[in-house]
Amino acid sequence: NAGVMQNPRHLVRRRGQEARLRCSPMKGHSHVYWYRQLPEEGLKFMVYLQKENIIDESGMPKERFSAEFPKEGPSILRIQQVVRGDSAAYFCASSPDGTNTEAFFGQGTRLTVV
Amino acid sequence: QKEVEQNSGPLSVPEGAIASLNCTYSDRGSQSFFWYRQYSGKSPELIMSIYSNGDKEDGRFTAQLNKASQYVSLLIRDSQPSDSATYLCAAYTGGFKTIFGAGTRLFVKA
Repeated sequence: NAGVMQNPRHLVRRRGQEARLRCSPMKGHSHVYWYRQLPEEGLKFMVYLQKENIIDESGMPKERFSAEFPKEGPSILRIQQVVRGDSAAYFCASSPDGTNTEAFFGQGTRLTVV
Repeated sequence: QKEVEQNSGPLSVPEGAIASLNCTYSDRGSQSFFWYRQYSGKSPELIMSIYSNGDKEDGRFTAQLNKASQYVSLLIRDSQPSDSATYLCAAYTGGFKTIFGAGTRLFVKA
């Protein structure tokens, strides 16, 4: 859905660098979800955030990965010291609330680690 | 571990036929179910949601839910080549989390 904006669309990083992925939810949506999709695989839940709060980060690796959704500005998914295995499409979705509501996806950020 | 299972396919049907996509889920507490379509290299696009047992129709698409069997399906009537994509089944399991299946690849042959 064009309403969820992700940038950059494509990101190339060398091993060991940091990757920052941004997601602006649809207008009126205060709930953001990050998913990772490896080639030829389904979406894997990483983290669910509301403004200024991480609600569920059970799908996120304990090391090198972090996420935030500040009071002002987009949600950020940060990957430190990237490795080749981090290469994937990272999708952000937003919904107006966290219960029983369809989520709308952004266009994704395709991260390539070289 | 809460799971959503789909046959990865590919499922190949001729143009004009009915495509039937199936999905099972493990968490009996799942409340809502969604079908997303994803074209290669694109983001998932919501095409159907279903919340109660039975059928829900929207144009050429019909979603079917059977909570007793923990089974969800999507039927696409009069399949078109433009329907060729990966179809992702998703279940909202509560706890603010939606679980996705790995997707079924559909090919509609002209």
